[in-house]
Amino acid sequence: GAVVSQHPSWVICKSGTSVKIECRSLDFQATTMFWYRQFPKQSLMLMATSNEGSKATYEQGVEKDKFLINHASLTLSTLTVTSAHPEDSSFYICSARDPGPHYNEQFFGPGTRLTVL
Amino acid sequence: GIQVEQSPPDLILQEGANSTLRCNFSDSVNNLQWFHQNPWGQLINLFYIPSGTKQNGRLSATTVATERYSLLYISSSQTTDSGVYFCAVERSSNYQLIWGAGTKLIIKP
Repeated sequence: GAVVSQHPSWVICKSGTSVKIECRSLDFQATTMFWYRQFPKQSLMLMATSNEGSKATYEQGVEKDKFLINHASLTLSTLTVTSAHPEDSSFYICSARDPGPHYNEQFFGPGTRLTVL
Repeated sequence: GIQVEQSPPDLILQEGANSTLRCNFSDSVNNLQWFHQNPWGQLINLFYIPSGTKQNGRLSATTVATERYSLLYISSSQTTDSGVYFCAVERSSNYQLIWGAGTKLIIKP
């Protein structure tokens, strides 16, 4: 199947700093990527849909100025958590939709565990 | 919007047992995927199955789109099957996945 990487896998930062998370589709081009947040023992919560070359579409209640998303190429999307606070601590997961051989199927990165002190 | 319900929420089995996980959805969907989330958080694609039946080793899945449900079968369970199994359906217009709450499976040796 298609492979999606995510970096870093974990990060610890001080309150007020910004953290950038990268999501890459390694063996396919993804015109659409998604960013999720997952709290312990809960399902995934969609934060935003990222389309290559255009602005991201954010879900209701997600602050677009706090969670900056950039999808500059067909293989890379980034999520920047700006001025992070302890309540932003969570597990962040990206996915990429493969329009090719695995038509319409979404593949997921391994996730990034963010801890804000 | 579409509602996705999974059952049971928790399942504890002995190694070697078989299990059936269910996913009900409230409206017609374009696509349905089953995932296994391992203890490290990685989501592993199991099946992309908007309709019909598929098998992959000890796992198989059936989706009856007209009756709005999907079943995931796990046979001869192994401890490595432990984790959370998610069902997710895709909206027709924007490719977004709508997620069920998951079934937490624990396989005891």
